[in-house]
Amino acid sequence: GNSVTQMEGPVTLSEEAFLTINCTYTATGYPSLFWYVQYPGEGLQLLLKATKADDKGSNKGFEATYRKETTSFHLEKGSVQVSDSAVYFCALSDRGSGGSNYKLTFGKGTLLTVNP
Amino acid sequence: DGGITQSPKYLFRKEGQNVTLSCEQNLNHDAMYWYRQDPGQGLRLIYYSQIVNDFQKGDIAEGYSVSREKKESFPLTVTSAQKNPTAFYLCASNRASTDTQYFGPGTRLTVL
Repeated sequence: GNSVTQMEGPVTLSEEAFLTINCTYTATGYPSLFWYVQYPGEGLQLLLKATKADDKGSNKGFEATYRKETTSFHLEKGSVQVSDSAVYFCALSDRGSGGSNYKLTFGKGTLLTVNP
Repeated sequence: DGGITQSPKYLFRKEGQNVTLSCEQNLNHDAMYWYRQDPGQGLRLIYYSQIVNDFQKGDIAEGYSVSREKKESFPLTVTSAQKNPTAFYLCASNRASTDTQYFGPGTRLTVL
């Protein structure tokens, strides 16, 4: 079955530091890959996605590249801010039995804390 | 504004009681989903629905039930058969043409 493994946290950085959160996956076929972010007490927000090999997703200074050869989708940001403190989830989609449903498989999440 | 609403935000239940969590979307999305989140566990799929009056079990459906009588609504009932219901519950939806799911703000259920 599908699975997602992401770097265990927590990760603590100083403001303006470089961020990498590793994510690797196992899947049949060609899934889409996602990063979601969750702020305390809230639901998940889509951060970025990539739908095929070598695609780069980017948003708000975050980037991730779909690497089929290494089955990876690592999240990076060049200079983190205090406001980036949150839990980050890597996920992949698997189209179900057809129709409109896509089952997401999530990693366990990585807590990022950025200190001023 | 379009979006997904979940209510209530916090819910307390006594052991042995059934409770129903509400999920409504005005995005005209076709598919809807319920996930459970526990600390350090990621999200696990409870139930999902592609169309009205149709739904399928996810990975952890035991002790839960759902209905899909309207396209915009997908309520989840946590029954007394669910042995450990204390968790954060998230509803999500997507259009038929895309695999990007959008999430509601969640309901935190605590069993007293």
